[in-house]
Amino acid sequence: GIQVEQSPPDLILQEGANSTLRCNFSDSVNNLQWFHQNPWGQLINLFYIPSGTKQNGRLSATTVATERYSLLYISSSQTTDSGVYFCAVGSGAAGNKLTFGGGTRVLVKP
Amino acid sequence: GAVVSQHPSWVICKSGTSVKIECRSLDFQATTMFWYRQFPKQSLMLMATSNEGSKATYEQGVEKDKFLINHASLTLSTLTVTSAHPEDSSFYICSARGTSGRGSYEQFFGPGTRLTVL
Repeated sequence: GIQVEQSPPDLILQEGANSTLRCNFSDSVNNLQWFHQNPWGQLINLFYIPSGTKQNGRLSATTVATERYSLLYISSSQTTDSGVYFCAVGSGAAGNKLTFGGGTRVLVKP
Repeated sequence: GAVVSQHPSWVICKSGTSVKIECRSLDFQATTMFWYRQFPKQSLMLMATSNEGSKATYEQGVEKDKFLINHASLTLSTLTVTSAHPEDSSFYICSARGTSGRGSYEQFFGPGTRLTVL
């Protein structure tokens, strides 16, 4: 099956800093989603981005499908950005089946 | 839009009992729902895919007789953990994909159910 690797595994930021999270995947995909898991376990949809670039406030994401990676940018980080960020991908006829990466645990310090 | 609920949010049960978890899509119809499992400080692992009106498809290594899935309507799927044991203690999360016909595979997730088996 498809392999998904996220880096870095852990990230500590000072409030106000910018950061980039990376997601590498091993095969072509027709589904790629970024999530933020809050301390209560809820997965918040950040982006549905199998290709291209999107922005939503201080967050933006870019997927380069031909090179099999996606990047999530956090600008002007806030303490509420803390949590675990997951990238998940799906491919082929089973594009609706998501394979999750290991996550990046982000801590934003005031 | 695209809200998914789960009930209960947490449950504690005795070993050997069965527990049912409900997953509902509140503002859209979901032809396909998914069940995931997450252990502490780990990622999510897909357990099974359920399509309305048909049998669920289980991932390799997931016991279909232990984790019974029913997708009776376009807004409701249930997961029943039968004869639960302490090793079944975990965080169970469902997701749903809509029927918009836009070709989007985007999934929306419920808040999860924390199961503790004593």
